[in-house]
Amino acid sequence: GAGVSQSPSNKVTEKGKDVELRCDPISGHTALYWYRQSLGQGLEFLIYFQGNSAPDKSGLPSDRFSAERTGGSVSTLTIQRTQQEDSAVYLCASSSDLEDIQYFGAGTRLSVL
Amino acid sequence: SQKIEQNSEALNIQEGKTATLTCNYTNYSPAYLQWYRQDPGRGPVFLLLIRENEKEKRKERLKVTFDTTLKQSLFHITASQPADSATYLCALAPSGGYNKLIFGAGTRLAVHP
Repeated sequence: GAGVSQSPSNKVTEKGKDVELRCDPISGHTALYWYRQSLGQGLEFLIYFQGNSAPDKSGLPSDRFSAERTGGSVSTLTIQRTQQEDSAVYLCASSSDLEDIQYFGAGTRLSVL
Repeated sequence: SQKIEQNSEALNIQEGKTATLTCNYTNYSPAYLQWYRQDPGRGPVFLLLIRENEKEKRKERLKVTFDTTLKQSLFHITASQPADSATYLCALAPSGGYNKLIFGAGTRLAVHP
């Protein structure tokens, strides 16, 4: 089937606005991850969902960041009151229980003006 | 502190030569280590996984080694081609946890005809 899909691919917003980023994982994948990649930096872990377990939110940089995963499938990452330092590429990945491989979407490039 | 380091300078090599990329880590006990390829504007794509009890893994023109004493992984591309030009990321999974990957910043490889 299709790979991991993220939308929008690009988002430009004004400082102080809220944004929502969407991730559609590969069908049947139980695990879903959000990462942030700033220019020239490695991927920074944000949050991890596994099945019906409570998510691991240990990577979220502030309480302005939140994420949910509805029905064990689609996930939304919400950033409230965006700041310029939130500008980055936000990547979503999913994986199955059968292998230790993460499949990534193309990312959402967020620019906060 | 825990760190995972890759050579931040771009690696430039001639077509047909072997490219060798290095990944060093400190203060981790990884269960396994992975290498991903990332092209501009795209998400990372999985290449190889090597576990802590393995010394070497091969896949076509790719080879990865893992030395837990030196805390280092080497990634080799033999008979390199211009199409191999990309950024290569190493990622480790700390032991005792789930698939929460810690990524290096990546090394950009440029293969010249």
